[in-house]
Amino acid sequence: QITLKESGPTLVKPTQTLTLTCSFSGFSLRTTGVGVGWIRQSPGKALEWLALLYWNDDKRYSPSLRNRLTITKDTSKNQVVLTLTNVDPVDTATYYCAQGNLSARYFHYWGQGTLVTVSS
Amino acid sequence: SYVLTQPPSVSVAPGQTARISCGGDNIGSKIAQWYQQKPGQAPVLVVYDDSDRPSGIPERFSGSNSGNTATLIISRVEAGDEADYYCQVWDSISDLRVFGGGTKLTVL
Repeated sequence: QITLKESGPTLVKPTQTLTLTCSFSGFSLRTTGVGVGWIRQSPGKALEWLALLYWNDDKRYSPSLRNRLTITKDTSKNQVVLTLTNVDPVDTATYYCAQGNLSARYFHYWGQGTLVTVSS
Repeated sequence: SYVLTQPPSVSVAPGQTARISCGGDNIGSKIAQWYQQKPGQAPVLVVYDDSDRPSGIPERFSGSNSGNTATLIISRVEAGDEADYYCQVWDSISDLRVFGGGTKLTVL
């Protein structure tokens, strides 16, 4: 059974760096073709893809946020970490991590999401 | 950047067929998937690779993708299908992923 769970701060101040952790089980990030991505959803808004990390440590980022995002993994801990620098109130959202096989062209398994509020 | 356009809302009576469109420039050359999201819940994959269904998803859900439009088709709509639906494409050339703006399906 594949599960993912997001963790991190619920409140972050503007200009700070947000660090979120995705802890997963039921699959290995060493398996060829597997990817773990991050997607966010601002309140009442659409889903927005942010970043993806592949089994081979290759990474992809949304062009609109590329300069502020970093995605890394700790394979031994079964975790994927997303950092977003210089946050702004518009970054207030529920952040999801999700897993996909076959180069993660789709996301089959999702975490429950974690709501992050950016406010002073 | 690549833009996907969905109608904000679609309404359908129970037992009828709902069609939700997802427009994008030459979207037929990309691979489309669809997610269902109910209030307060994470999205659920209902169609992938244009027209395939994950295990556990009813056969009533199907998809197509050609030209400039991908379409999610829900046959014999039930009250439990009421949700937001999002399309998402994978561009094999850029290896980027994009979501549409979402469509709220209302079952009358």
